[in-house]
Amino acid sequence: QVQLQESGPGLVKPSETLSLTCTVSGGSITSYYWSWIRQPPGKGLEWIAYIYYSGSTNYNPSLRSRVTISVDTSQKQFSLQLRSVTAADTAVYYCASYWNDFDNWGQGTLVTVSS
Amino acid sequence: SSELTQDPAVSVALGQTVRITCQGDSLGSYYASWYQQRPGQAPILVIYHKHNRPSGIPDRFSGSSSGNTASLTITGAQAEDEADYYCNSRDSSGNYVLFGGGTKLTVL
Repeated sequence: QVQLQESGPGLVKPSETLSLTCTVSGGSITSYYWSWIRQPPGKGLEWIAYIYYSGSTNYNPSLRSRVTISVDTSQKQFSLQLRSVTAADTAVYYCASYWNDFDNWGQGTLVTVSS
Repeated sequence: SSELTQDPAVSVALGQTVRITCQGDSLGSYYASWYQQRPGQAPILVIYHKHNRPSGIPDRFSGSSSGNTASLTITGAQAEDEADYYCNSRDSSGNYVLFGGGTKLTVL
């Protein structure tokens, strides 16, 4: 069973860049696409992006201009960068494995955007 | 269409059957998956590829689809089924991933 663990700062200042990393264990990083999903407090899920181990990517059009997803197969990690954040980017950020559905999820990490 | 539409809230009496629906133009072409999210927890996959259950998911959970509507049915709802449920699929172009807005299920 694949396990995922998010890591990164829990507080980011407005206009700065949010950076998160997800570490994959218990499975091969070549077996899935790897994705980021977020959930603002009290709201629903929003898909952000996914990446394949080869580096092929796909982004939510509404976030594409501010987001970069990357993968480091040697470390079994993939990462998210979200630039120029505002309070609207405050959310729990989840990493997940994806192959037509999200079958393994990390526990999520709350990122608050505030000065 | 670039949306998946769910009813915001549904309730069911303990032990009864409830259907949660998800509507979207893309569902005529792409399978839906369903996720259960209990308060303070990460979502878990309960139905994939329209009607398949991952191991460990009780068989009271079932999925179906007709036209542009996907459905999650819980037959004999239990107290522990009280949660938010989200559908997930692709947009009409097939290029992007979508989530429905979620349905809050209350078990009375």
